[in-house]
Amino acid sequence: AQKVTQAQTEISVVEKEDVTLDCVYETRDTTYYLFWYKQPPSGELVFLIRRNSFDEQNEISGRYSWNFQKSTSSFNFTITASQVVDSAVYFCAPRRKLIWGLGTSLAVNP
Amino acid sequence: NAGVTQTPKFQVLKTGQSMTLQCAQDMNHNSMYWYRQDPGMGLRLIYYSASEGTTDKGEVPNGYNVSRLNKREFSLRLESAAPSQTSVYFCASSQARVEQYFGPGTRLTVT
Repeated sequence: AQKVTQAQTEISVVEKEDVTLDCVYETRDTTYYLFWYKQPPSGELVFLIRRNSFDEQNEISGRYSWNFQKSTSSFNFTITASQVVDSAVYFCAPRRKLIWGLGTSLAVNP
Repeated sequence: NAGVTQTPKFQVLKTGQSMTLQCAQDMNHNSMYWYRQDPGMGLRLIYYSASEGTTDKGEVPNGYNVSRLNKREFSLRLESAAPSQTSVYFCASSQARVEQYFGPGTRLTVT
């Protein structure tokens, strides 16, 4: 069975702290895509990044970085120097089967 | 480009009433999806359409029907609404089932 686990239900940090959100995707598939989405308090869902299982190169976009390790099926997301605007629920989702994790609610406090 | 649009934004129904949620995308995407999101939950797939003329059940299809009217439009119908269908409904589209782009959501309350 395919399963996405985001073990951290809620995280609370103070502004400027670094924070890492964990995602583990259990699957027997050898090839797959994983995605991260952001849902701010306003409710819309915003696509952040896509990775495929062949590419373990870390990716950095501004304050955001992603670390994908196929050996552990983990696709972790780090926000450096967090800001209040980063407060949102973050979802990890694979492409196959269109299943979603339960999300991690991040609160960044001033 | 408007992206993905949904109507209505809010709706209150009484148990047993019917309604159709409308979704349209202008990105020329082949695939479209309907999800529901309940408090503290991720998204659960109701139905999807991989291409015009095809629809498939997702994780929670009971109580819903869909129509892929053309490449742009994908509607979701509740024939006899129940309180358990109170939720926020999201429509999404994607090309080749890669990343999805979402509409703003419809907040539905069934009393």
